Amino acid sequence: AQKVTQAQTEISVVEKEDVTLDCVYETRDTTYYLFWYKQPPSGELVFLIRRNSFDEQNEISGRYSWNFQKSTSSFNFTITASQVVDSAVYFCALNTYNTDKLIFGTGTRLQVFP
Amino acid sequence: EAGVTQFPSHSVIEKGQTVTLRCDPISGHDNLYWYRRVMGKEIKFLLHFVKESKQDESGMPNNRFLAERTGGTYSTLKVQPAELEDSGVYFCASSHLTSGGADTQYFGPGTRLTVL
Repeated sequence: AQKVTQAQTEISVVEKEDVTLDCVYETRDTTYYLFWYKQPPSGELVFLIRRNSFDEQNEISGRYSWNFQKSTSSFNFTITASQVVDSAVYFCALNTYNTDKLIFGTGTRLQVFP
Repeated sequence: EAGVTQFPSHSVIEKGQTVTLRCDPISGHDNLYWYRRVMGKEIKFLLHFVKESKQDESGMPNNRFLAERTGGTYSTLKVQPAELEDSGVYFCASSHLTSGGADTQYFGPGTRLTVL
């Protein structure tokens, strides 16, 4: 069975702090894909990143970085120098080679205060 | 390029009524998905179209839900009759058709359905 766990329900930080959102996944498939989506207050789901299971290189995009570790089945997301505009619900998701449907975690609500 | 659009953005109906949600995918995307998020819970898969065919409808909660994608373009999701537990946000997503592997799904803004 596939499962995604985001243990942090809500995180509050002050602007300019770094924050890491945790994501732990379960799958028996050897080929799978991991995603992060952002849901700002306006409601839409915005795609942030997609990684496949054969690429464990960490990725950095501006203030965002992702740490993929197969050994711990984790795909954590770090925001450096957080800003108020980063306030949103962030979802981690998984799908595999054998199924196109996304399995989502319950989301982490990030609040960044000025 | 226009993104995934959904209509309406909000719908408030009474128990027992019928509601139809519409999704227009990104042009050229053969895959179309419906998902639902009930308050405070995870986003759950409902079904997947490849062009006009239902590829996977394992997530449809019951036979009160009917999804169609005539002509392989836009899709509708009808709930008839609506029940209180159907309240939530219904998301539509689309992606390119790829042979094996999972292409990125791009989501619409969602339709917030409230059943009173």
